Amino acid sequence: SQTIHQWPATLVQPVGSPLSLECTVEGTSNPNLYWYRQAAGRGLQLLFYSVGIGQISSEVPQNLSASRPQDRQFILSSKKLLLSDSGFYLCAWSRDRTNTGELFFGEGSRLTVL
Amino acid sequence: ILNVEQSPQSLHVQEGDSTNFTCSFPSSNFYALHWYRWETAKSPEALFVMTLNGDEKKKGRISATLNTKEGYSYLYIKGSQPEDSATYLCAFVDSWGKLQFGAGTQVVVTP
Repeated sequence: SQTIHQWPATLVQPVGSPLSLECTVEGTSNPNLYWYRQAAGRGLQLLFYSVGIGQISSEVPQNLSASRPQDRQFILSSKKLLLSDSGFYLCAWSRDRTNTGELFFGEGSRLTVL
Repeated sequence: ILNVEQSPQSLHVQEGDSTNFTCSFPSSNFYALHWYRWETAKSPEALFVMTLNGDEKKKGRISATLNTKEGYSYLYIKGSQPEDSATYLCAFVDSWGKLQFGAGTQVVVTP
């Protein structure tokens, strides 16, 4: 069966520090991978998605970047965190590039930037 | 960014009562609509993926209907139980194949 795991679960970082959130998927190959963020009181906002190794699409201009160094690994990074980067981050994968199939989500990472 | 709106934002339901809530989305260029249940301290889990106008899907006491011509979907919970307490998210697949999420409806079922 397929599993998705992301870490760390909780992170408190000072403004200006770097960030690395990691997500891995097991039990499938060539998944579509996604990073979402939920800001307080709002829905899930798509940040990045990837259809293959080294292929990253960014949805909104921001202080974050994503990388996919391996087929089932997706990393969310920042060189210098801003207060506005605080939020709950979810990694997800899907089999279907057209998204007529469901998304499978990781456990989430709560980032607080102070 | 397309508007996916969910209403109400939250609702309280007595155990045993039935309830429903709405997701509205752009009615042009429809591809698919997803419903997810997001329980506290857990990951969102897919309930339904709906692709056809008039679709009705059911999973236990939860069901959903879809009207793509007018751009809305209803989620129904029959005989609510405390374990139904969660935030219910809908997401619309836009013409670029991206999922656009609504802000969710938070359901609290009280015994």
